[in-house]
Amino acid sequence: DQQVKQNSPSLSVQEGRISILNCDYTNSMFDYFLWYKKYPAEGPTFLISISSIKDKNEDGRFTVFLNKSAKHLSLHIVPSQPGDSAVYFCAASASGTYKYIFGTGTRLKVLA
Amino acid sequence: DAGITQSPRHKVTETGTPVTLRCHQTENHRYMYWYRQDPGHGLRLIHYSYGVKDTDKGEVSDGYSVSRSKTEDFLLTLESATSSQTSVYFCAIRSDRDNQPQHFGDGTRLSIL
Repeated sequence: DQQVKQNSPSLSVQEGRISILNCDYTNSMFDYFLWYKKYPAEGPTFLISISSIKDKNEDGRFTVFLNKSAKHLSLHIVPSQPGDSAVYFCAASASGTYKYIFGTGTRLKVLA
Repeated sequence: DAGITQSPRHKVTETGTPVTLRCHQTENHRYMYWYRQDPGHGLRLIHYSYGVKDTDKGEVSDGYSVSRSKTEDFLLTLESATSSQTSVYFCAIRSDRDNQPQHFGDGTRLSIL
């Protein structure tokens, strides 16, 4: 049973426009959420995170939104750049467990 | 970049042979993890360690064992490799402060023929 789901395997966006990547979770004990970016032949790189006490966290072009009632989080990239083309994973963790559950990833392609 | 080194980076071996992958960190972090990445499955936790000689199973631990005799090294062993264990393996580390991200190595591509 997948506790963290990314239902869109792929997404294409025009350069300069907004990219929105979505993630849903089922475990109400999760209270820390992360997004990672992965290029081919490299390890995942941490991008941005959010604690459940917040509903938004922003870092430059990247913003993560958390809707606890819907058990949904999203990553917004504005403006999108060709270098953002990668696979994006969301992950979730519950306090005290030190384990992270990952989604299956969304491949973002930013078209020049 | 977090100081994580995985070795080897690529390996091809035959079914039934033992295989050991090594993860080495220079950050002195308490927590270390082994994941496998497969198409359609994302990253799945195999085993993790919360200190020297302290390890626990993840969601896909069957067929794998781990050891951590020093803070800096976390070994993943496939006792008798099977073709279903062909995958890309990632090691990750994190500090023991609250709400911290994991940092990943560059992976080991393992092919079992």
